[in-house]
Amino acid sequence: GENVEQHPSTLSVQEGDSAVIKCTYSDSASNYFPWYKQELGKGPQLIIDIRSNVGEKKDQRIAVTLNKTAKHFSLHITETQPEDSAVYFCAARLQSGNQFYFGTGTSLTVIP
Amino acid sequence: GAGVSQSPSNKVTEKGKDVELRCDPISGHTALYWYRQSLGQGLEFLIYFQGNSAPDKSGLPSDRFSAERTGGSVSTLTIQRTQQEDSAVYLCASSLAPRFGDGYTFGSGTRLTVV
Repeated sequence: GENVEQHPSTLSVQEGDSAVIKCTYSDSASNYFPWYKQELGKGPQLIIDIRSNVGEKKDQRIAVTLNKTAKHFSLHITETQPEDSAVYFCAARLQSGNQFYFGTGTSLTVIP
Repeated sequence: GAGVSQSPSNKVTEKGKDVELRCDPISGHTALYWYRQSLGQGLEFLIYFQGNSAPDKSGLPSDRFSAERTGGSVSTLTIQRTQQEDSAVYLCASSLAPRFGDGYTFGSGTRLTVV
């Protein structure tokens, strides 16, 4: 099966700075890569996703990049705000699979 | 409903007892998933239902775990003879069309504590 690794496990940034979270995957057959944000006491929420035929996708302050050759993808948050503080999970899904394989999460703290 | 609903939100049970966790997916979503999130860990896949197809049970950790989905809608995850290592947040998610790459919509989870 797929193995997804995520780094860093914790990240603290000053408000207004950028945050970058990186993930690698092992199976080149993975073709869909969502990112989830989980706030305390809540379920994860999809914030952005990217398919394997695209190298970059942006939605306001968040963007995701994908390098298929190196099998890694990254989440970029610019102009961070305190409400961005949460745990972020990356995930990958095989083209023929039924499940998502999740990274172990990054706890992001934005310091006002 | 507007989102995925899970009940109860919290459950404390004694070791050895059976528990049932319920998930009510978004109306019209044919795919339903159960995941387990242990403290400080990622999400561990348990089971997947898609329409009337046989479920993918490959993630269930032992035969104490089972799940069913009645009428293609509500799902129940049952854990028999609970153990302390079963303590975790159990998350349910649904999606409209997984083959098209839709991300899941998660419920808020059931926090299970086995004492």
